[in-house]
Amino acid sequence: EAGVAQSPRYKIIEKRQSVAFWCNPISGHATLYWYQQILGQGPKLLIQFQNNGVVDDSQLPKDRFSAERLKGVDSTLKIQPAKLEDSAVYLCASSSSGYEQYFGPGTRLTVT
Amino acid sequence: AQSVTQLDSQVPVFEEAPVELRCNYSSSVSVYLFWYVQYPNQGLQLLLKYLSGSTLVKGINGFEAEFNKSQTSFHLRKPSVHISDTAEYFCAVDGGSQGNLIFGKGTKLSVKP
Repeated sequence: EAGVAQSPRYKIIEKRQSVAFWCNPISGHATLYWYQQILGQGPKLLIQFQNNGVVDDSQLPKDRFSAERLKGVDSTLKIQPAKLEDSAVYLCASSSSGYEQYFGPGTRLTVT
Repeated sequence: AQSVTQLDSQVPVFEEAPVELRCNYSSSVSVYLFWYVQYPNQGLQLLLKYLSGSTLVKGINGFEAEFNKSQTSFHLRKPSVHISDTAEYFCAVDGGSQGNLIFGKGTKLSVKP
């Protein structure tokens, strides 16, 4: 069974630029999560999808972050414009049961 | 609101020694607890979970954890560690919205020969 795929693995951008991350969950997993992991901290949930609907986006900075999950499969997270404090690892996870999440390798974003 | 405190940011230990990584939680709802491991440049992998039932939970790679409701703790233990256990370990609690996890800040386990 293929795991959660994410791309790119690494990205370096300048502040005020835009960036997008892609995630392909495990086949058949209805729930998809995006987490932000800042260096030295645990992951923090940004947004949770159930199929193609948003379940929880209370911690998503909506003035600059957006996410979509068209057709209830893969998902894209966008930052526009990026700030220095957005430097982090962005993790995507998926789940079929809600109590066991499978994580992708993450995208390490550096904003200079 | 739910929260998780991992009491040690770093734990150095010699190979074949026992280890305990401490985790305390705060939750006003039914408690579902998890331990994840993160190897360098990789995503998180579930070690074990407590949903209900026996308070002693066994996971992968020889790890186990004990749920203690009175002390609001969920400490992770392994009787004999290997070099390959060197990683960062995260304790997490279900945030109330099914599947929404709240993580602690992590404990870096460093196993030395």
